Amino acid sequence: EIVMTQSPATLSVSPGERATLSCRASQSVGNNLAWYQQKPGQAPRLLIYGASTRAPAIPPRFSGSGSGTEFTLTISSLQSGDFAVYYCQQYNNWPPNTFGQGTKLEMK
Amino acid sequence: QITLKESGPTLVKPTQTLTLTCTFSGFSFSTSGVGVGWIRQPPGKALEWLALIYGDDDKRYSPSLRNRLTITKDTSKNQVVLKMTNMDPVDSATYFCAHRPRFAGNLLTGYTYFDYWGQGTLVTVSS
Repeated sequence: EIVMTQSPATLSVSPGERATLSCRASQSVGNNLAWYQQKPGQAPRLLIYGASTRAPAIPPRFSGSGSGTEFTLTISSLQSGDFAVYYCQQYNNWPPNTFGQGTKLEMK
Repeated sequence: QITLKESGPTLVKPTQTLTLTCTFSGFSFSTSGVGVGWIRQPPGKALEWLALIYGDDDKRYSPSLRNRLTITKDTSKNQVVLKMTNMDPVDSATYFCAHRPRFAGNLLTGYTYFDYWGQGTLVTVSS
């Protein structure tokens, strides 16, 4: 059974700086990985699919990379609206559509 | 513009059956590969995928919950309904419905991501 592990659990970064979030799969998921942003009281928002393809209307400061078991979401030049919880989700292995535990990106 | 909205009870008693409705607009089940899924999130915890239904009425379920879940659709009303039996306090969560885009993931397996989500509805299980 596949397990998605995100690190760190909490990341403190100052506005204007770069944030790097990690997601590791316990077995290869190819490039079938998505990233979501969730703000308090809101639904998740799709940022990235296919490990590196930005969803429509997602600004270019969000970028995804990786394949197989190691993935990274990079947010360059953080803005105030970027502080949220970020989830990765695999859609390649059993059990289907499993999410990581999330990384909380907080303002330093 | 794709929108989805969940509706249903905010409070259910243990052992009862939960029935949630997702009403959507901006897309059609007649488009091949399009689907609607349900995902839940206990307070302060991570997301958990529950079920998925396609326009041809093909369905996929979470293996850990499949014995308790039923997903159906009413195409004429643009609605998808999720039923979960034998509710327990651990099932207290915000329940989201979401749109599966046409070419996402693997149609056959139901492995997919979701590009549009409803606002969610909080369900509490308590006597």
